[in-house]
Amino acid sequence: DAGVTQSPTHLIKTRGQQVTLRCSPKSGHDTVSWYQQALGQGPQFIFQYYEEEERQRGNFPDRFSGHQFPNYSSELNVNALLLGDSALYLCASTNLAFNEQFFGPGTRLTVL
Amino acid sequence: ILNVEQSPQSLHVQEGDSTNFTCSFPSSNFYALHWYRWETAKSPEALFVMTLNGDEKKKGRISATLNTKEGYSYLYIKGSQPEDSATYLCAFWGVGGGADGLTFGKGTHLIIQP
Repeated sequence: DAGVTQSPTHLIKTRGQQVTLRCSPKSGHDTVSWYQQALGQGPQFIFQYYEEEERQRGNFPDRFSGHQFPNYSSELNVNALLLGDSALYLCASTNLAFNEQFFGPGTRLTVL
Repeated sequence: ILNVEQSPQSLHVQEGDSTNFTCSFPSSNFYALHWYRWETAKSPEALFVMTLNGDEKKKGRISATLNTKEGYSYLYIKGSQPEDSATYLCAFWGVGGGADGLTFGKGTHLIIQP
């Protein structure tokens, strides 16, 4: 079992650009959540996808959007990048039967 | 806005010593509390998921307790080893459970000194 995988590992973009981050959940998990970890902070919940729809959303602007595919993998899209979007973006997949949430290693986004 | 607090922010401990740190969370609308251990450049590793008041869980030298009525959890490490050096995060799941996102504390950064 490969666990939760994310790509790319690192990414550098400039202000105003758009970025897409990708996540494959752990085998058998159908729910994917995205988190942003800014420097010195704990991870903050962006949104969660289940059955290809956004089920819950944290306090993030509409510039942050996502998608879930039939194979449960997911994308996080951020438009009109700001310097403050520089952060580690974590993907997590959930096993509701055991109340477990497993995390990937993250994508480090730097906005210049 | 949910508030999850962890203390201390960082901790230096001598190898072989035992240590503990605290997570405080809202005492209402509680569903579960998660503890994660996070080493640099790796995925956060799930340590415990705690759901019941009075829960005590143990994994090797690491154990955790839960008090949902007063809204706190303690993580204990017995006989610290260099490989215990990591950031320890706690995260609160409200009443929505898995359908909600986790609310994390800022973590306790633990450094074990040989």
